[in-house]
Amino acid sequence: NAGVTQTPKFRILKIGQSMTLQCTQDMNHNYMYWYRQDPGMGLKLIYYSVGAGITDKGEVPNGYNVSRSTTEDFPLRLELAAPSQTSVYFCASSGPTSGEQYFGPGTRLTVT
Amino acid sequence: AQSVAQPEDQVNVAEGNPLTVKCTYSVSGNPYLFWYVQYPNRGLQFLLKYITGDNLVKGSYGFEAEFNKSQTSFHLKKPSALVSDSALYFCAVREQQGGKLIFGQGTELSVKP
Repeated sequence: NAGVTQTPKFRILKIGQSMTLQCTQDMNHNYMYWYRQDPGMGLKLIYYSVGAGITDKGEVPNGYNVSRSTTEDFPLRLELAAPSQTSVYFCASSGPTSGEQYFGPGTRLTVT
Repeated sequence: AQSVAQPEDQVNVAEGNPLTVKCTYSVSGNPYLFWYVQYPNRGLQFLLKYITGDNLVKGSYGFEAEFNKSQTSFHLKKPSALVSDSALYFCAVREQQGGKLIFGQGTELSVKP
């Protein structure tokens, strides 16, 4: 049971480039989330999904896009990378009732 | 709107002493409350939660938390701190209906030998 996996672990992008951060969970959780973590700022919710085919914006969605074609996968897309998107990105999943979220190991992204 | 506050950026404790990491919250209904721990370069790990029932909740690694409705607080405690408890701790709240968590800004716990 791998839990929540994320790829890549690290990435450096140039301004204007695009990339997709991958997230997969094997716990059959309906809920999935993307957060970014900036130093001293806690976690900010980017997008979330309550099930396959359903996504919604979180607190800081600008510059990002998501899709949820399967229960397992929840990729995050950056279309035109900007230095402000330099951060650590975490994916998480949870069941519908218990509430606790299970986090992946994170992707450290630098945009220069 | 939901909110969570962790009033201390850093807490310093000597090994063997009790520790407390503070958290206060604001929600419109009944809260679901959570504590998570983050070790360097790792994702967040779930420690414990309060949904309903006994106000004192026990979790992983000897941690516990006390829910106080009148003070809208959910402080994390441990009777005897270990150096290995040094990490970043996050409090989070969720309204009873809905999946999203709101996280506090985190408290850095440092336990010295």
